[in-house]
Amino acid sequence: QMQLVESGGGVVQPGTSLRLSCAASGFTFSTFGMHWVRQAPGKGLEWVAVIWSDASNKYYADSVKGRFTISRDNSKNTLYLQMNSLRVEDTAMYYCARRLTGQSAFDIWGQGTMVTVSS
Amino acid sequence: QTVVTQEPSFSVSPGGTVTLTCGLSSGSVSNTYYPSWYQQTPGQAPRMLIYSTNTRSSGVPDRFSGSILGNKAALTITGAQADDESDYYCALYMGSGIWVFGGGTKLTVL
Repeated sequence: QMQLVESGGGVVQPGTSLRLSCAASGFTFSTFGMHWVRQAPGKGLEWVAVIWSDASNKYYADSVKGRFTISRDNSKNTLYLQMNSLRVEDTAMYYCARRLTGQSAFDIWGQGTMVTVSS
Repeated sequence: QTVVTQEPSFSVSPGGTVTLTCGLSSGSVSNTYYPSWYQQTPGQAPRMLIYSTNTRSSGVPDRFSGSILGNKAALTITGAQADDESDYYCALYMGSGIWVFGGGTKLTVL
């Protein structure tokens, strides 16, 4: 079945870096755009970044622009999120989500990986 | 910066009908924003219900429907059931590769 599994979360100090991974299976990963979406504890969903299927385009929310980098390795069916200069307000569950082909929607979601930024 | 607005909470009786909305702090929502809707229960990942305003995702019951009502996107649940009690989020495509989620609506069925 189609599945996304995130990993790489943890507890880190402000100003440090972390890289999240999202392993895809059950579908042709290289043909789908992919997103990262986050959710702070007790809060709503916040779109973070998107990458086109061939990595030709990448876009970011203003809150992470210049600090986070989305990337992918289609040979490994894996999506990444490199997070630098982490802030307390980046504390959240981070979900990867597949972009529905030809649509502006998020049709498959992983279960998320928790990132806690605390001193 | 444009904010996507949703009712913070809503209540519906079992078997009743409820319409949740998704608006913009400035301007009107139209089909060109490709509104989509997601259901999230505590501790779970979101689940896509509706995309492109009114297309139901595979496996979603037909009691869920999407539309544009006035200047907002809308999600209507007809014949609400107890397990519809969830948080509901809309997402809008703002163009130029940018998406924005609404703040979410906590729906209570009682």
